[in-house]
Amino acid sequence: NAGVTQTPKFQVLKTGQSMTLQCAQDMNHNSMYWYRQDPGMGLRLIYYSASEGTTDKGEVPNGYNVSRLNKREFSLRLESAAPSQTSVYFCASSEVLNPYTEAFFGQGTRLTVV
Amino acid sequence: AQSVTQLGSHVSVSEGALVLLRCNYSSSVPPYLFWYVQYPNQGLQLLLKYTSAATLVKGINGFEAEFKKSETSFHLTKPSAHMSDAAEYFCAVSESAGTYKYIFGTGTRLKVLA
Repeated sequence: NAGVTQTPKFQVLKTGQSMTLQCAQDMNHNSMYWYRQDPGMGLRLIYYSASEGTTDKGEVPNGYNVSRLNKREFSLRLESAAPSQTSVYFCASSEVLNPYTEAFFGQGTRLTVV
Repeated sequence: AQSVTQLGSHVSVSEGALVLLRCNYSSSVPPYLFWYVQYPNQGLQLLLKYTSAATLVKGINGFEAEFKKSETSFHLTKPSAHMSDAAEYFCAVSESAGTYKYIFGTGTRLKVLA
């Protein structure tokens, strides 16, 4: 059972380059999320998708765009990468049956912008 | 908006000693609380969650947490630390204003000393 799969696992970009982080889940979950993790700041929500066809901004959306391609896939795009976007990115999904439902996380993408 | 505060970004305990990791939540009602663990270079894994069925919640790997409404706390404990418990621990709350989002604390890195 794969769960939440993120690609790539590691990436180095030059300032100004663009890239898309891919995320897919095989648990038939409705909701998906993108977080970034920075030292001392925990996980901060970038964007989320409550259900297929909807996306909403989280706490730190600037510099990012997302696409909910279908129920399984939720991608995160950096149009013009900046050093401040150096971080570890996590995708998560949840069935959201009720507020007690937990989120399931991928293994993360470690992105460095030079 | 919901929030959680984790006191102590780093905690060190001796092997066999009590582990206590602190989490306080904002006083909005009701709280939907979770503890996650992150081992080095991995994603987040659910340790336990509060479901209102009981104030003392048991999780995996011998961890438990007690929900105390009067103190707005959900501290994580383990009676006897093991070397394998060394990891980063995150407290999180589910915010359910129509759609569910997970808000994380800043994390506590647990070091276990031999």
